[in-house]
Amino acid sequence: DAKTTQPPSMDCAEGRAANLPCNHSTISGNEYVYWYRQIHSQGPQYIIHGLKNNETNEMASLIITEDRKSSTLILPHATLRDTAVYYCIVSRTSGTYKYIFGTGTRLKVLA
Amino acid sequence: KAGVTQTPRYLIKTRGQQVTLSCSPISGHRSVSWYQQTPGQGLQFLFEYFSETQRNKGNFPGRFSGRQFSNSRSEMNVSTLELGDSALYLCASSSSGTGPLGEQYFGPGTRLTVT
Repeated sequence: DAKTTQPPSMDCAEGRAANLPCNHSTISGNEYVYWYRQIHSQGPQYIIHGLKNNETNEMASLIITEDRKSSTLILPHATLRDTAVYYCIVSRTSGTYKYIFGTGTRLKVLA
Repeated sequence: KAGVTQTPRYLIKTRGQQVTLSCSPISGHRSVSWYQQTPGQGLQFLFEYFSETQRNKGNFPGRFSGRQFSNSRSEMNVSTLELGDSALYLCASSSSGTGPLGEQYFGPGTRLTVT
């Protein structure tokens, strides 16, 4: 299973876009990129996932590079409630796997 | 729709004892996964159950075991507790039939303290 690399921490001003990068250079063709976030003391919350194409939902956008070796999660208008640890995960959807969360990026949204 | 529930929320046990944690998935979800979260190791995958069968397993010793019932509720058991087992244990459910991926919905966790 491919591993991911994320910066340990980032700051973002409230109302601005937060761009969280993730490197997954060993990703395989059948592996998806998933993003979750964990607000202090709560269980992780699913945000978005994708395979090749860019994806958007009500929470965020996911931009995956053409070679699929990296991706960026975009929170278009960050609020204080978006302060959390963001995890980028790569995994298959079938067969054996180890769902590896990694250490994530601690995003702090500043007022 | 009710979310994933875990019981108990907090637990204190002594070294050498065993513990059983319970997880009730979202109605209709057949996949249940368990994770251990510690400050040092982060969030680590324990195992996943689907239709009462363990389908995937992480790198944890045999002291960690689980099971799933016909109503998709799941339990995990840790025998011969060690101090290092102190952690937040999270359960997640998914409707995905091909694995625990897609959208996983996490419960609030059970905070286990081993003294």
